[in-house]
Order: sequence, then C-alpha cells, then structure tokens
Amino acid sequence: EVRLVQSGAEVKKPGESLKISCKGSGYTFPSYWVGWVRQMPGKGLEWMGFIYPGDSETRFESDVRYSPSFQGQVTISADKSINTAFLQWSSLKASDTAIYYCARRGIAAAFDSWGQGTLVTVSS
Amino acid sequence: SYELTQSPSVSVSPGQTARITCSADALTTQYAYWYRQTPGQAPVLLIYQDTERPSGIPERFSGSSSGTTVTLTISGVQAEDEADYYCQSADSSGTYVEFGGGTKLTVL
Repeated sequence: EVRLVQSGAEVKKPGESLKISCKGSGYTFPSYWVGWVRQMPGKGLEWMGFIYPGDSETRFESDVRYSPSFQGQVTISADKSINTAFLQWSSLKASDTAIYYCARRGIAAAFDSWGQGTLVTVSS
Repeated sequence: SYELTQSPSVSVSPGQTARITCSADALTTQYAYWYRQTPGQAPVLLIYQDTERPSGIPERFSGSSSGTTVTLTISGVQAEDEADYYCQSADSSGTYVEFGGGTKLTVL
C-alpha cells in the first residue's frame, strides 16, 4: 500500500524558519515525483512545486520544479536514503498559515496518493 | 500561469445527476484530473487522464472532455458526495501544474 506520512502541526512566529517532511512507503520512492500543495484557511488547492528524487537505476537525475507563485519563497528537497521529501521556509510570514499536503505524482501523472496534511500556523 | 475555471457551487437532490465543469484553453492539449475533498480530509483522486477511474472509485463517477471543457459527472448522487471537487491539469508545455478553484457540491 502506498502511503505518505507527513510531520505534525507546527506553530511558529513570523521570521522563523521551518522544514516539514513527507515520508513515502509502499513504493519505490526515488522513481516518482512528489508534489507539495498549499491550502489556505477556507480556500482551494494551490500547487507549489514538486521534486523527482532521482533513480540511479534508470539514470534519471534528481529534479525540482516550482510554481512561479512559490519560486524563491520555499525550498523543496528530498533525502532518498530515508524516502522523505521536505518543504522548507527560511523566514515565515503570517500569510504562510495553511495546511500543506504532499502527494505522489503516480498513475498517468495524477496525484494518486496524498499525505494527511501538515497544519502550519504563523502568528506573533 | 493560467487558470482552470470551475463554477463555485452546484446543488442537486439525492439520486439526481451532478455535473461539474472545468474550462481552460490548455485542456485541448493537456489531460485533466479530478479530486474530491471532504472537510478535514486530504484530497482523493477520482478521475485521471480526462476519463479514467482509479481502482476503488465507484462507476457512478465519470469524466468527459470536449474542447476546452472537461466535465465530472456524478450519477445517483448520495448525501456522502457532498464535498469540494477540484479539477487539475498542466499548462500547455506540461511543465506547471494548476488546480481549478474548486466546486462545492451541495446535496439538498
């Protein structure tokens, strides 16, 4: 069974840094793109970017793509050795308050498996 | 970036058919995907590649495509279908992902 398990809720102050995680299991983690999606309170889904961890057997290198709306605002990374993708901020703003989902880009490029979401609250 | 346009809300009575549409020029060349999200839960994939259903999704959920519009059809709507439905696609280059604004389905 494909599973994505995200790290727990965070409460931070403006200006602080944060790194949240998404651990994949039940599939070959390096061979699938993992995306990040933001959902602000009461709002819709926004694609932030995704990462291809890289599969040495198929000789595809690691790759990261960002939505233009999030380029420069966040950093997406992955550690293949622990089957985990990350989303990080260097300086949080109150407007970063949202639920953040990770999702595997699987069957036919669909987001076919989702994490449970990580609530990030940024407040002074 | 570009926009996928969905109607904000659709209302139907139990047992009726609900149709939720999503429009964008890029849909003539890019596949569409549909997701359902109930309150407090993560989205779930309902339809991929315009018309295909993942295993475990009931047959009463179907997708279709015509020109710049794709449609999610829910036949025999049940109370449990009350949720937010999102379409998703990519830009014409296939590089960037986009979600529609979401449609809230209300079962009367």
